[in-house]
Amino acid sequence: GAVVSQHPSWVICKSGTSVKIECRSLDFQATTMFWYRQFPKQSLMLMATSNEGSKATYEQGVEKDKFLINHASLTLSTLTVTSAHPEDSSFYICSARSYGGGATDTQYFGPGTRLTVL
Amino acid sequence: SQQGEEDPQALSIQEGENATMNCSYKTSINNLQWYRQNSGRGLVHLILIRSNEREKHSGRLRVTLDTSKKSSSLLITASRAADTASYFCATRETSGSRLTFGEGTQLTVNP
Repeated sequence: GAVVSQHPSWVICKSGTSVKIECRSLDFQATTMFWYRQFPKQSLMLMATSNEGSKATYEQGVEKDKFLINHASLTLSTLTVTSAHPEDSSFYICSARSYGGGATDTQYFGPGTRLTVL
Repeated sequence: SQQGEEDPQALSIQEGENATMNCSYKTSINNLQWYRQNSGRGLVHLILIRSNEREKHSGRLRVTLDTSKKSSSLLITASRAADTASYFCATRETSGSRLTFGEGTQLTVNP
């Protein structure tokens, strides 16, 4: 199956700093990428959806100025957590979907990035 | 908010037994998918069932979908210790492209 990578796999940062997480589709072109957040022992919560070359669509309650998403190419999307605080500590997972437009398109998930804000 | 609700939240069985997990949802869907997640890892896509399908098999996995009851089940037959993981259902709604996840079932298969 298709491969999605994330970098870094884990990061520890100080409160107030910004952290960038990269998501790459390695062997297919991802017209749409999704960013999810998962707290311990909980399900995945969709944060935003981004289409290549356009602005991301954020879910209700997600601050777009805090979680900056850039989907500059068909194989790369980045999530920047700005001015991170301890409550932003979470597991961030990206997902990529190739263009086909069909309802049965499969989303491929990255391995996740564990963010810990001290 | 999460659309899917799964039960049980946790399931512990012995190797060789079958494991059944259920998922319910609220809106109209195009398809329903099941994913597996090992602790602290990413998601692995297991199986997708379309809204016009009732049952699907893949290896030791059997998925059913009842759109009239808005529910699905995942059956893992002859379970192995390596099947220990969290299992999530996810629905693709007819109105959009988002994939909405259920709360998940933590499956533990004891050797």
